[in-house]
Amino acid sequence: DVKVTQSSRYLVKRTGEKVFLECVQDMDHENMFWYRQDPGLGLRLIYFSYDVKMKEKGDIPEGYSVSREKKERFSLILESASTNQTSMYLCATGREGAYGYTFGSGTRLTVV
Amino acid sequence: QKEVEQNSGPLSVPEGAIASLNCTYSDRVSQSFFWYRQYSGKSPELIMSIYSNGDKEDGRFTAQLNKASQYVSLLIRDSQPSDSATYLCAARWGGAGNMLTFGGGTRLMVKP
Repeated sequence: DVKVTQSSRYLVKRTGEKVFLECVQDMDHENMFWYRQDPGLGLRLIYFSYDVKMKEKGDIPEGYSVSREKKERFSLILESASTNQTSMYLCATGREGAYGYTFGSGTRLTVV
Repeated sequence: QKEVEQNSGPLSVPEGAIASLNCTYSDRVSQSFFWYRQYSGKSPELIMSIYSNGDKEDGRFTAQLNKASQYVSLLIRDSQPSDSATYLCAARWGGAGNMLTFGGGTRLMVKP
C-alpha cells in the first residue's frame, strides 16, 4: 500500500511564524498535491507538483509556497502564518494515468 | 471552469437500506471518476473508481457512470451506521499532473 506520511497530526503556531508542513510518500509517485479543507468550502488546491523541482499554483496559492527537492517529499510553507490559515491541510499523491489520489492523514493547523 | 457538483445533504437512511449518492460534472472530456469516503476528522479514502459507462460493483458498493448525462452515482447496499461519513466525488480531466476536481461532498447518516 502507498503510504503518505504527514509530519504532524496537530500543530499550533503563532501569527507571523513561518510554518513548514512536510509530506513524504514511499511509492515513487510523480504527482503530489497540497489541499486545505474547511467546513462548507470543501477541498481547495493550494499547490501541486508533477516532478522534482516543478511546482504549479492551484486555486488558492496566496500566502503559501512549496518545495520539492526530492521525488518523495513535498513541503508546504506558510511564509507568515495568519489566523485565516487555520485549517486541515491534506497532502495527496498520485501517479500518471487514470488513477485516484492517496491522501495523507492530514495536519490540523491552528494559528493563534 | 470544470466543476463537480454534489448535494451536501445530509442524506439520512435507515440501517439496511440502500443509500444513493449522486454527482454531476460539467465537462464532457472527463475520463475517470472516483468516490472517496471521509470520516469526520479524518482524511479521504478512495473506495471506488469507474472509467466506463455502466455499473461497477465492489462488495456493498456500486458505482454507476452515465457519460451522456454527465453523472456518476454511488449506491451503498445494506447501509450500516459505520457507513456514516461524507462521500466525495472526483473527476479526472486529463493532462499533466493527473488532476482531479472534487465535489463538495455529501454527508450520509445511517440511522440504527
